[in-house]
Amino acid sequence: ETGVTQSPTHLIKTRGQQVTLRCSSQSGHNTVSWYQQALGQGPQFIFQYYREEENGRGNFPPRFSGLQFPNYSSELNVNALELDDSALYLCASSLEGAAEAFFGQGTRLTVV
Amino acid sequence: AQSVAQPEDQVNVAEGNPLTVKCTYSVSGNPYLFWYVQYPNRGLQFLLKYITGDNLVKGSYGFEAEFNKSQTSFHLKKPSALVSDSALYFCAVRDPDNYGQNFVFGPGTRLSVLP
Repeated sequence: ETGVTQSPTHLIKTRGQQVTLRCSSQSGHNTVSWYQQALGQGPQFIFQYYREEENGRGNFPPRFSGLQFPNYSSELNVNALELDDSALYLCASSLEGAAEAFFGQGTRLTVV
Repeated sequence: AQSVAQPEDQVNVAEGNPLTVKCTYSVSGNPYLFWYVQYPNRGLQFLLKYITGDNLVKGSYGFEAEFNKSQTSFHLKKPSALVSDSALYFCAVRDPDNYGQNFVFGPGTRLSVLP
């Protein structure tokens, strides 16, 4: 098991609501990325944070936003939830300059 | 734009037999290539990576992968499959010159090892 932890593990929200997902990166890892994995698909890159700044973003609308804190933990916020936002949200952390990343167990979000 | 293809949705193999999970990629330049495995209700676990050097890369749990630049492939292999290898396998590519854009994953291949 990696040292990346995510909370909560499961969440049910109503369409139009807002949600915050949390991630604690592996010790010493200063880069955190978020991915959305819809059922039956591969993970899709949402954005990456490095030293508290967003330094890369995938093809996701602005209602997907994030934060990284001084201890390198991170939050993913999604506003105005849509049914299609139902997915497994994965957080990954890595060392600066490292090729591989280590993933948490994910948060399963269901929007009803 | 980078892309990864995994041509087989499902691979079935008998326990003890060799297994291959296929991956092809499309990317400009020299990519970093990865294999990750996902067990039910779990995140992704890193298996192995290719950065440069020897085309045969060895990873965790007895897995290895062969990089073939001319065929733009990075197939995952294991000489003798175990029932516990049954899981969802993802091939991924990363552009080392565009670090902020992170991983591009394939759609995944479900491996079933039959006892």
